[in-house]
Amino acid sequence: GQSLEQPSEVTAVEGAIVQINCTYQTSGFYGLSWYQQHDGGAPTFLSYNALDGLEETGRFSSFLSRSDSYGYLLLQELQMKDSASYFCAVFYNQGGKLIFGQGTELSVKP
Amino acid sequence: GAVVSQHPSWVICKSGTSVKIECRSLDFQATTMFWYRQFPKQSLMLMATSNEGSKATYEQGVEKDKFLINHASLTLSTLTVTSAHPEDSSFYICSASGGSTDTQYFGPGTRLTVL
Repeated sequence: GQSLEQPSEVTAVEGAIVQINCTYQTSGFYGLSWYQQHDGGAPTFLSYNALDGLEETGRFSSFLSRSDSYGYLLLQELQMKDSASYFCAVFYNQGGKLIFGQGTELSVKP
Repeated sequence: GAVVSQHPSWVICKSGTSVKIECRSLDFQATTMFWYRQFPKQSLMLMATSNEGSKATYEQGVEKDKFLINHASLTLSTLTVTSAHPEDSSFYICSASGGSTDTQYFGPGTRLTVL
């Protein structure tokens, strides 16, 4: 089967660093993606890890450990506009489909 | 680049009617398009995968006769919700991938309300 687990909610203050974890149990895994979604909007691609290690894109970094079936998204220098839902998603090579986790709602406070 | 549009952005219809939603890749050729449904405060649930010129592959539990998908060209896929009922009210989102990358680019979504 397929399952991804993320914390449902995270709260942090402006300027802080926050880490959103994602654990998965799945077969056919090819890579792990992260998406941001603001209320009423479409998901926006943030990062993708196919190999173990850290991928850095500006204030956002993503990490993957395939042996631990675990990844995380790291957001640095938090801004109010970062308040949104964040989804990890497993990418399957067969068919190229994405299966999303339940999402983590991040609230950034002043 | 990699822009995906959806039309309409929202639609309200009466129970029993059919609604068609279009998904277009504007600046790339999408060999594969995906359709998702998202209920409030929930995750995106993959409904089906469509490849240009082929029949769509539906996820388990998704009624293919109710959610008709057509992917007639490399830039257009349509989802038709047939005989819509209030429980079909949801946010429908498409994504497209193609070219040199497998990254999926998402459309802005279509909010369907069935009265």
